[in-house]
Amino acid sequence: EPEVTQTPSHQVTQMGQEVILRCVPISNHLYFYWYRQILGQKVEFLVSFYNNEISEKSEIFDDQFSVERPDGSNFTLKIRSTKLEDSAMYFCASSEPGGAYEQYFGPGTRLTVT
Amino acid sequence: AQSVTQPDIHITVSEGASLELRCNYSYGATPYLFWYVQSPGQGLQLLLKYFSGDTLVQGIKGFEAEFKRSQSSFNLRKPSVHWSDAAEYFCAVGPLAGKSTFGDGTTLTVKP
Repeated sequence: EPEVTQTPSHQVTQMGQEVILRCVPISNHLYFYWYRQILGQKVEFLVSFYNNEISEKSEIFDDQFSVERPDGSNFTLKIRSTKLEDSAMYFCASSEPGGAYEQYFGPGTRLTVT
Repeated sequence: AQSVTQPDIHITVSEGASLELRCNYSYGATPYLFWYVQSPGQGLQLLLKYFSGDTLVQGIKGFEAEFKRSQSSFNLRKPSVHWSDAAEYFCAVGPLAGKSTFGDGTTLTVKP
């Protein structure tokens, strides 16, 4: 069964450093998403992406964040200058053409900012 | 705006007992509703979903949920809980304009 994959599974970085989290969505999906979950809290929407542009973003997704689909398979989340409060689990998700149905989630990348 | 409320932060049940996890939602139109399960340190696994049609939906691992429009609820049930069901459960609504909104989650503990 096709699945969303994410790399790395765990990333440790120092405050102020840039990180790139990578995702490979399901191949025929056209809608892509990033969510985050701070330890012990609920899952929060960050951004959705369709047709090579952001379709919606939350207030969390400020200028420090960016997303890109650099090729036909990868979908990345970049944090330019990490803060301690960026420490969280980051989930990528994708959904089929039409975008109105279930999102398939990847296993997540745990980001630890020290 | 869409929102989800899971009134129970933590529930403890005995193995073999029945389970019901509550979920209330706010949504402007016919909602797409989901239940996910998350084991510690793991990702989100979809248990079941409701889009339309039959209001009682069956999912994996013996779970079911009932959509009640009049009560804006989508409660998750299981007739007999197993120790392996201990996890965090999230109800979600959406996507609306590309975004799913999650509840705060309910932690399920299963007593032997």
